[in-house]
Amino acid sequence: KAGVTQTPRYLIKTRGQQVTLSCSPISGHRSVSWYQQTPGQGLQFLFEYFSETQRNKGNFPGRFSGRQFSNSRSEMNVSTLELGDSALYLCASSFGQGGRGTEAFFGQGTRLTVV
Amino acid sequence: GQSLEQPSEVTAVEGAIVQINCTYQTSGFYGLSWYQQHDGGAPTFLSYNALDGLEETGRFSSFLSRSDSYGYLLLQELQMKDSASYFCAARWSNTGKLIFGQGTTLQVKP
Repeated sequence: KAGVTQTPRYLIKTRGQQVTLSCSPISGHRSVSWYQQTPGQGLQFLFEYFSETQRNKGNFPGRFSGRQFSNSRSEMNVSTLELGDSALYLCASSFGQGGRGTEAFFGQGTRLTVV
Repeated sequence: GQSLEQPSEVTAVEGAIVQINCTYQTSGFYGLSWYQQHDGGAPTFLSYNALDGLEETGRFSSFLSRSDSYGYLLLQELQMKDSASYFCAARWSNTGKLIFGQGTTLQVKP
């Protein structure tokens, strides 16, 4: 079956602009999590959606937001971009939220560069 | 808090065995997972320990000891292609968040 699809793969934006990233999870998976990855910072948790509801949020400013649609596809939005937002944004889908079988499957990520 | 600690780098030679540790302070998670990420690629799932003990998957094994608050990933018969970053991750039962360690960069030398 198809894996996790993230679009676009690469994006260059200017400071102050806003951006929307998209993630289509594996069919049947209802949980979608977003992570920011920068060199030396590992995978920083942004938020998680399950059945269209935000279940968890990381320690990021309100400029970072997201949503999930009824087909489980998710989008994240970053407004008023800053240079420090340049990173690889990864989306992960999983079947559920707890217990065994909740391993996350990652997309290839969107490489965002803010200039 | 809910965080996982890993060494930042490990170096080993081809054919050797290497162990990557993952420690934590707060328990209460469902289980410990391990992921591999090659440069420029996406993290891929390697192993999961729901219970204490050893899980073996080919050349890779993972271990969890909740009483000692640590786990590890063991890679045997190292190959050059094993050079990558390895992350431990846990989903805490009270929040449901899947949190990752900072990652360990493994360099395999000939």
